[in-house]
Amino acid sequence: DVKVTQSSRYLVKRTGEKVFLECVQDMDHENMFWYRQDPGLGLRLIYFSYDVKMKEKGDIPEGYSVSREKKERFSLILESASTNQTSMYLCASSLWGRGANTGELFFGEGSRLTVL
Amino acid sequence: GQQVMQIPQYQHVQEGEDFTTYCNSSTTLSNIQWYKQRPGGHPVFLIQLVKSGEVKKQKRLTFQFGEAKKNSSLHITATQTTDVGTYFCAGPNNYGQNFVFGPGTRLSVLP
Repeated sequence: DVKVTQSSRYLVKRTGEKVFLECVQDMDHENMFWYRQDPGLGLRLIYFSYDVKMKEKGDIPEGYSVSREKKERFSLILESASTNQTSMYLCASSLWGRGANTGELFFGEGSRLTVL
Repeated sequence: GQQVMQIPQYQHVQEGEDFTTYCNSSTTLSNIQWYKQRPGGHPVFLIQLVKSGEVKKQKRLTFQFGEAKKNSSLHITATQTTDVGTYFCAGPNNYGQNFVFGPGTRLSVLP
């Protein structure tokens, strides 16, 4: 089974702090994604990566950055956390393919971030 | 920008009743995916539809892709308490880069 592991299930941070959310997948998937999930808004794509050291902005990249130094690891960084970044963050991976042919997404358990 | 809408937002049914959620896109989709998220869980892939008018079944679940490829539906026959959760549809965005998710339909099943 594909396993997507997110480093922290729950985090509480203060406004202005730097936050790292780590995601690791164990099935040699090419593609990795970061979404945030808010009630009534569904899942919104923050950043994605089709290859090591490659990153592309999603629909809501402002206030976030990412890093993919190794194929299995995709990190989401909040340089200076703000209260409107309080949310559930979901990492996902897919085997290969680009765009509409990305294929099935495998999600991690999620990281619930609260920014005070 | 492109929008993917789902109705209803919430649905409460008695166990044994049928349930349908509808997904509508503002643009034509090359394909559409459906996911289920149990309470406290993460989204899990259910199916992908590609062809116009396509119908696929998974036990009590029936998925349809509209003829114009702008809408889709998920129908559950004789709901069970294990069907509880939020059902999301997702379609490729305007640039074909990635999938845009609908807001989801939350299903509650009363025993």
